[in-house]
Amino acid sequence: SQTIHQWPATLVQPVGSPLSLECTVEGTSNPNLYWYRQAAGRGLQLLFYSVGIGQISSEVPQNLSASRPQDRQFILSSKKLLLSDSGFYLCAGQQEDTQYFGPGTRLTVL
Amino acid sequence: RKEVEQDPGPFNVPEGATVAFNCTYSNSASQSFFWYRQDCRKEPKLLMSVYSSGNEDGRFTAQLNRASQYISLLIRDSKLSDSATYLCVVLSGGAGNMLTFGGGTRLMVKP
Repeated sequence: SQTIHQWPATLVQPVGSPLSLECTVEGTSNPNLYWYRQAAGRGLQLLFYSVGIGQISSEVPQNLSASRPQDRQFILSSKKLLLSDSGFYLCAGQQEDTQYFGPGTRLTVL
Repeated sequence: RKEVEQDPGPFNVPEGATVAFNCTYSNSASQSFFWYRQDCRKEPKLLMSVYSSGNEDGRFTAQLNRASQYISLLIRDSKLSDSATYLCVVLSGGAGNMLTFGGGTRLMVKP
């Protein structure tokens, strides 16, 4: 079965600073990969998904971007963070019909 | 209207109680259905898939009603460790095989 790794676990960044969150997948090849954000006390919002290397689909317009440089690597980035970017960022991989999540990165923008 | 709707709760129940959560979905073409559990400040974890015939896993029973477009989760003999947020999730298919998550129902089991 696949394992999703994410780091860092927590991050505190100033407004206007850049961001790079990494997600890697073990145990499967060519998975669909997803980035979600969960604001405090809220549901999961799908940000990006990728069905293969270099293929990124964005679900919501914002100042974030994603890249998939390798089959098992999915990166979430921002050039300039906003206060509203604070939240719990989760990477997920698809196995058959089910998605499995990484441990998440809790981002606080101050 | 949200694609997947759940009562946010919280449901406060005593240990040993039976509790049921419902969830409705708007896309009649939805193909697969799941319940995930999310503990505080942790990632969601798959609890169980939901099949048309209904399925049971120990104290947990999930049911699907396609005609009415709702999904239910029944927890019997609640344990303190069942306290969590339960997320109703729907796979609508299409490009990317995206899942749509409900906002979650919070359960608090008290001693």
